[in-house]
Order: sequence, then structure tokens, then C-alpha cells
Amino acid sequence: AQTVTQSQPEMSVQEAETVTLSCTYDTSESDYYLFWYKQPPSRQMILVIRQEAYKQQNATENRFSVNFQKAAKSFSLKISDSQLGDAAMYFCAYVRPGIEKLVFGKGTKLTVNP
Amino acid sequence: EPEVTQTPSHQVTQMGQEVILRCVPISNHLYFYWYRQILGQKVEFLVSFYNNEISEKSEIFDDQFSVERPDGSNFTLKIRSTKLEDSAMYFCASRGQVDQETQYFGPGTRLLVL
Repeated sequence: AQTVTQSQPEMSVQEAETVTLSCTYDTSESDYYLFWYKQPPSRQMILVIRQEAYKQQNATENRFSVNFQKAAKSFSLKISDSQLGDAAMYFCAYVRPGIEKLVFGKGTKLTVNP
Repeated sequence: EPEVTQTPSHQVTQMGQEVILRCVPISNHLYFYWYRQILGQKVEFLVSFYNNEISEKSEIFDDQFSVERPDGSNFTLKIRSTKLEDSAMYFCASRGQVDQETQYFGPGTRLLVL
């Protein structure tokens, strides 16, 4: 079964600094998708960024980028120029095409200090 | 920008009562999902729904749970006889056919069973 591991229960960063959140996953498949979702205190799940496993190029969305290392099964999220509004739980998730369920990690709580 | 909506935002019920959680997926989406998140824990898959039938369900989704798409817009989750351990945040999600497996989440319904 696929598993997703987030080894950092909590992280903190100073406003305007850069932080990297770690995620590893276990799969024997070659075709899959990876996601980072943000869950602020309101508890809504907001898509941050996604990566297709067949693409070698790392995905980027404004201040958010990933470091996707397929061989190492690693998918870290880098947040540049951190803002107070980035404070949230961040969940890494995995899905296989045709298999409907997203598999989530346990999450990393990010605190942004002013 | 289209979004998934859920009602109610909060629901308090007595153990043994039936509850229906409602979701309106994004209008042109064809795949629908329910997830739950017990406080402090990871998000767990419950069920996926496509073409008016369940396509996959987890072990959590037992006979007490059912899903329905009663009309062209709503997607509901029914819990027939609630238990204390059903207290959780319930998220609806939807996905389009050409969306690279990306599921978009609603804001959630916080269910408290007393």
C-alpha cells in the first residue's frame, strides 16, 4: 500500500525567509501525482501545488516550488519570502491515476514569526 | 473561480441520530469524493463516486454510511446512526476529467456527535 510520510510535525520560519517542508512516499508505481495542500485554521483544504511523476521539471507556483526526486521518492515544498498568511498545516498527498483515493501524510504545522 | 461548497458548516447531533451532509461539487466535474479528518489526525478517504455509483470505498465506509447524487448538482453523505467516533471534519471533493487527477476540496462540515 502506498504511504506518505511527513517527518516534521512542526516547522517555523521568520517572515520573508525561506522554509522547506519534507515529504517522502512509498510506491512501486511509475505513474502518479503528488500534491501539497494547505489547511489554515479555518480547516479548509487548499491546493498549493501539484507534480506529475512523469515530468522531470519541478513544479512552481509563485512563491511555492517543489523539489521532486523520483528515485529517492521525495517531494519537498519550498516556500520563499514567507508571509504571515502562509501559517497553516501543510499536507503532502499522493494519488495514482485510476485509483481514486488521495493518500495523505500526517501534516506539518508551519508557524510564521513576524 | 468555481468552488466546491458544503452545508452545513457545523452540525451537532445526538448519538444514534441520522445526519446528511451536503455538497455541491464544481459544476462540470464528474468525480466526487468524501474524506474525513478526526481532530489532530490525517485526512482519510471515505468514498469515491462516479457515474452514479460508488467506484471505491475505504474500510471506514461501512453500512452506516451512504452517498447519493439526488439531482444534477448535490452530492450527499448520510450517516444512518451516528456514533461518538463519527465526530470529525468531513470534506467533499470533486475532480474534472481533464484535471490531472487534481481533487478540489470544499470548506468542510464539522460534525460533533454527543
